[in-house]
Amino acid sequence: KQEVTQIPAALSVPEGENLVLNCSFTDSAIYNLQWFRQDPGKGLTSLLLIQSSQREQTSGRLNASLDKSSGRSTLYIAASQPGDSATYLCAVSLMDSSYKLIFGSGTRLLVRP
Amino acid sequence: SQTIHQWPATLVQPVGSPLSLECTVEGTSNPNLYWYRQAAGRGLQLLFYSVGIGQISSEVPQNLSASRPQDRQFILSSKKLLLSDSGFYLCAWRTRPEAFFGQGTRLTVV
Repeated sequence: KQEVTQIPAALSVPEGENLVLNCSFTDSAIYNLQWFRQDPGKGLTSLLLIQSSQREQTSGRLNASLDKSSGRSTLYIAASQPGDSATYLCAVSLMDSSYKLIFGSGTRLLVRP
Repeated sequence: SQTIHQWPATLVQPVGSPLSLECTVEGTSNPNLYWYRQAAGRGLQLLFYSVGIGQISSEVPQNLSASRPQDRQFILSSKKLLLSDSGFYLCAWRTRPEAFFGQGTRLTVV
């Protein structure tokens, strides 16, 4: 059974810092991996998607890496801003007809001005 | 472009009352559809998914049911709500490779 773990559960950093969020999964047979952002009381916004054959994806100040063999992904946020404060969720898609997403419990990020 | 509509945004229902949450997707065909629940301070739990009209798979035994009467419509229902049904319900869709989520429904059972 696929399980996804995110570390740390919460993180508080001063504005301008570079930071890394970690995600690990137990079964390397995944279709892809997505990083999402969730603001309080809101739905999920897709940030980055990494196909199982890819090693990394970049969007602006965000960079996500994937090491499928070790079951790990990292989300790197450069030059953090208070607007980055949110919960970040990692999810892997199973490699079957359901393509269902299995989520970690998230990292709650606070960027202090 | 593809969009997903989920309503209502908030709902307060008494214990024992029925429930119907609706989700529709526009701009795509034959998507996979999903219902997730997020309890306070917890991760997202997959409740149901559907790979086609009338095809529903349940992930956890519970007081809820789902239906897919049309290709782009997904409905979450209950005949009698329990206090434990309170939570944040999210609908999602995908036609590979990426999944997208609605804005969610905050359900409070009182």
